[in-house]
Amino acid sequence: DAKTTQPNSMESNEEEPVHLPCNHSTISGTDYIHWYRQLPSQGPEYVIHGLTSNVNNRMASLAIAEDRKSSTLILHRATLRDAAVYYCILHFGNEKLTFGTGTRLTIIP
Amino acid sequence: NAGVMQNPRHLVRRRGQEARLRCSPMKGHSHVYWYRQLPEEGLKFMVYLQKENIIDESGMPKERFSAEFPKEGPSILRIQQVVRGDSAAYFCASSRQRARLQETQYFGPGTRLLVL
Repeated sequence: DAKTTQPNSMESNEEEPVHLPCNHSTISGTDYIHWYRQLPSQGPEYVIHGLTSNVNNRMASLAIAEDRKSSTLILHRATLRDAAVYYCILHFGNEKLTFGTGTRLTIIP
Repeated sequence: NAGVMQNPRHLVRRRGQEARLRCSPMKGHSHVYWYRQLPEEGLKFMVYLQKENIIDESGMPKERFSAEFPKEGPSILRIQQVVRGDSAAYFCASSRQRARLQETQYFGPGTRLLVL
């Protein structure tokens, strides 16, 4: 499985933007970059995904490097509800998801 | 449109008993995945099923664990003769048809199993 590398933890102030990095230097041409997050005591929740171009949705933006070896999840204005573990996952089709350790995001009021 | 449903949400069993965990996928979804999350650890894939078929069981322990997704009814993860090490949160996810290149998995709230 292609692997991803994320910082173990990050902190951000409430109502400020957050940039969560992910390195995936062994990504293959067919791998999509998916982000999920897991709030405390809940199941994982889909956030966003992309292949080559930057993507935006109501939850976040995904910036993908031109060589696709890294990407950044952007939360434009963090709220306390965004405190969670964020997982960057390379995924294709209906394969299983391989979760790493993710980044634990703490939001400071 | 109801999301993925799992029951029970909490399950307590004594060592040696059986645990049955149920998962109803989202409407229109025919693929089900089970994941396990041990305390303070990440999620680990267990098994991937389509209606009446096991597609990938590479993450399932070889003994005591089984899974099914019958033509009618929910998917069942069954753990026989539970041991304390089986205590974990078990999450089910579902997705749509297989041919798409970018399928999102939608997760249920999980079943938290505690083995005494």
